[in-house]
Amino acid sequence: GQQLNQSPQSMFIQEGEDVSMNCTSSSIFNTWLWYKQDPGEGPVLLIALYKAGELTSNGRLTAQFGITRKDSFLNISASIPSDVGIYFCAGNSGGSNYKLTFGKGTLLTVNP
Amino acid sequence: EAGVAQSPRYKIIEKRQSVAFWCNPISGHATLYWYQQILGQGPKLLIQFQNNGVVDDSQLPKDRFSAERLKGVDSTLKIQPAKLEDSAVYLCASSLGLDTQYFGPGTRLTVL
Repeated sequence: GQQLNQSPQSMFIQEGEDVSMNCTSSSIFNTWLWYKQDPGEGPVLLIALYKAGELTSNGRLTAQFGITRKDSFLNISASIPSDVGIYFCAGNSGGSNYKLTFGKGTLLTVNP
Repeated sequence: EAGVAQSPRYKIIEKRQSVAFWCNPISGHATLYWYQQILGQGPKLLIQFQNNGVVDDSQLPKDRFSAERLKGVDSTLKIQPAKLEDSAVYLCASSLGLDTQYFGPGTRLTVL
């Protein structure tokens, strides 16, 4: 089946620093999504990308849909302690059922 | 607007026992998903319903897992009998159609 390679696996940064994480796939996706999951909670959608080359922001978060449609990245600027959590990329390759494939996640720790 | 509700939040059972999880999606959402999230992994789709019909159950271990959504609203996921490797968080998600999925808080299952 399809697999997403998400990196890095974990990051430990100081408050105020910028963060970048990315996802790559061996196959093409029509949609890229970025989710955040807090401990004991389900994933929450942060940003959705629908077109190759699309660059979308949500507050301090910026994500891009790669031109090749096989990758995406997420940037967080000026990190704050509440950014702590696990960030997942997810892709949809089309089809009638809008099935999502998730990466393994990036664990972000922010040191105040 | 109320989110996706799941119960129980936690369940501990012994191997070979049975267990059932319940999900109430966001009101009006036609599509319902059950995911399995093993520690350190992203969510993996088990089954997808459109109203009360199954759209995709290709990754559901049908020898032990079953799910139903009889009236096109609530859903239950059952494991019978449970194995040690079934220890995971079981997430329910719903969407209006084939678009943004909203996740519930999950049920953490521990099989001893």
